[in-house]
Amino acid sequence: EAGVTQFPSHSVIEKGQTVTLRCDPISGHDNLYWYRRVMGKEIKFLLHFVKESKQDESGMPNNRFLAERTGGTYSTLKVQPAELEDSGVYFCASSPDPSGEKLFFGSGTQLSVL
Amino acid sequence: GESVGLHLPTLSVQEGDNSIINCAYSNSASDYFIWYKQESGKGPQFIIDIRSNMDKRQGQRVTVLLNKTVKHLSLQIAATQPGDSAVYFCAENSPRGGYNKLIFGAGTRLAVHP
Repeated sequence: EAGVTQFPSHSVIEKGQTVTLRCDPISGHDNLYWYRRVMGKEIKFLLHFVKESKQDESGMPNNRFLAERTGGTYSTLKVQPAELEDSGVYFCASSPDPSGEKLFFGSGTQLSVL
Repeated sequence: GESVGLHLPTLSVQEGDNSIINCAYSNSASDYFIWYKQESGKGPQFIIDIRSNMDKRQGQRVTVLLNKTVKHLSLQIAATQPGDSAVYFCAENSPRGGYNKLIFGAGTRLAVHP
């Protein structure tokens, strides 16, 4: 069974540019989460999808971040315009249940904003 | 060897020794705790979890201990191997997070020396 896949694995962009990250969850997992780890600090929650609906987006830092999950399959996270403080590793995770507990994580996208 | 949360982010042990990684949590109402292992270039991988109605749970070479009195969680790794070298994160399913997402600690790096 394929795990959670994320693309790209690395992205280097300049401040002010736009970047779109993609996540393909494990097939059949209705719950999809985005987390990020900035500057080697703790991994922080961004948002949670149940199928195509945003269940909880309380962790989204500001309106420069837009997450979508059209059709309830893969998800995208767009940052526009990117700022220096957006640099970090963005993780996607999926789960078959909505408890937010045992999550299956992807390898992450390392985003560097210069 | 032992480590204590954020104040000692790197734990160095000799191959074959037992490792103890500690984590303090803040919310006494948290009812689920989990340890993840993150190797370089990979996403967090589930190691072991425990619910608040238990104080100990064992897996293969790993044991998680939960002390609710002092709000402390530890991960014990027996006979540490080079492949155990990684960053270890504790996480809780806390009412602060609405019980539907994990709150992560900053992580402890485990370095295993031959």
